Amino acid sequence: AQSVTQLDSHVSVSEGTPVLLRCNYSSSYSPSLFWYVQHPNKGLQLLLKYTSAATLVKGINGFEAEFKKSETSFHLTKPSAHMSDAAEYFCVVSDRFQGAQKLVFGQGTRLTINP
Amino acid sequence: EPEVTQTPSHQVTQMGQEVILRCVPISNHLYFYWYRQILGQKVEFLVSFYNNEISEKSEIFDDQFSVERPDGSNFTLKIRSTKLEDSAMYFCASGVGERGAEAFFGQGTRLTVV
Repeated sequence: AQSVTQLDSHVSVSEGTPVLLRCNYSSSYSPSLFWYVQHPNKGLQLLLKYTSAATLVKGINGFEAEFKKSETSFHLTKPSAHMSDAAEYFCVVSDRFQGAQKLVFGQGTRLTINP
Repeated sequence: EPEVTQTPSHQVTQMGQEVILRCVPISNHLYFYWYRQILGQKVEFLVSFYNNEISEKSEIFDDQFSVERPDGSNFTLKIRSTKLEDSAMYFCASGVGERGAEAFFGQGTRLTVV
């Protein structure tokens, strides 16, 4: 079974500084990986996805993630944090089976941005 | 921009009562899902639905749960006899791409069982 581990439950950075949210995955085959963001009282929004094309994936709002097979990692980064980035971030792996994909979520990382 | 919409946003029900959570997926999507998130825990897969039938269900999705797509637009999750431990945020999603890999989520329904 596929799984993801988000290494930090809470990350706090200052506005304008880089953001790094760490994720490691476990998969018996080449996975599809995603990052979702959840702002307070909002749904889950797709930030970016990796589906076996380029290993460096660019997403919305300046976020990007790099798929590293040797390290089984898919860390999310942003060069400069903005106050509006404060939210819960989920690393997600797809579990393939016949008929439809199933998403397996990490436990989430809460990102706090300090002024 | 098309979006998945869920109603109600918050539902309070008494233990043992039936609840129906409603979702309107994005219109050209073919794959439909329910996930839930108990407070402080991970988002968990409940069920996927494709071609008018359940594709897969998790061990959580027992006989108390059922899904329907009654009119080709709505996608509902029914809990027949709610338990306290069913209290959670329930997310509906619809998917496109290879076997629905890119899933678009609704804003969730917070279910509180008292």
